[in-house]
Amino acid sequence: KAGVTQTPRYLIKTRGQQVTLSCSPISGHRSVSWYQQTPGQGLQFLFEYFSETQRNKGNFPGRFSGRQFSNSRSEMNVSTLELGDSALYLCASSLETIRNTGELFFGEGSRLTVL
Amino acid sequence: DQQVKQNSPSLSVQEGRISILNCDYTNSMFDYFLWYKKYPAEGPTFLISISSIKDKNEDGRFTVFLNKSAKHLSLHIVPSQPGDSAVYFCAASDGGGKLIFGQGTELSVKP
Repeated sequence: KAGVTQTPRYLIKTRGQQVTLSCSPISGHRSVSWYQQTPGQGLQFLFEYFSETQRNKGNFPGRFSGRQFSNSRSEMNVSTLELGDSALYLCASSLETIRNTGELFFGEGSRLTVL
Repeated sequence: DQQVKQNSPSLSVQEGRISILNCDYTNSMFDYFLWYKKYPAEGPTFLISISSIKDKNEDGRFTVFLNKSAKHLSLHIVPSQPGDSAVYFCAASDGGGKLIFGQGTELSVKP
């Protein structure tokens, strides 16, 4: 069974640009969450999608947005990039929302560097 | 406001000994707790979890203890092996569809 696939794995952008990251969840998983990992901050929740609807949102500015398609694939977009957006962006999928406390299955992440 | 805290950024133990990783939380609405392990260049992988109705859950060499009154949980690894060297994250859920993670503790198990 294929795991969670994230593309691209690495990318470098400059301040002011925008970026789109893609995530393909495990087949059959309908919930997709996004997390940002930075040194010393752990993993911070960005948003969660279930059946194409955003069900939860973390405390990030509106420059961070996402969407989910009918095949459960998800994208997140960051506009007007800032140096502080440099991070590892992790996507995770699960069969249902964590309401049933099922664990998350993470991808390997997309490493974004903003210069 | 860090609702889940791992106050030890790193921990070093000898192979065969016990590793104890600690985690504190502040939100009394959390009712499910999980531990994830992360190797460099890989995504976190689920390790073990515990519901707030329990105070202990065991899976092989891994045991998680929950002290609700102290809002504290710990992960015990016995015996520790070099392959356990990784960053360990604790996470908490209030059933609302997201996990709140701690900052992580880097465990180094020396042969």
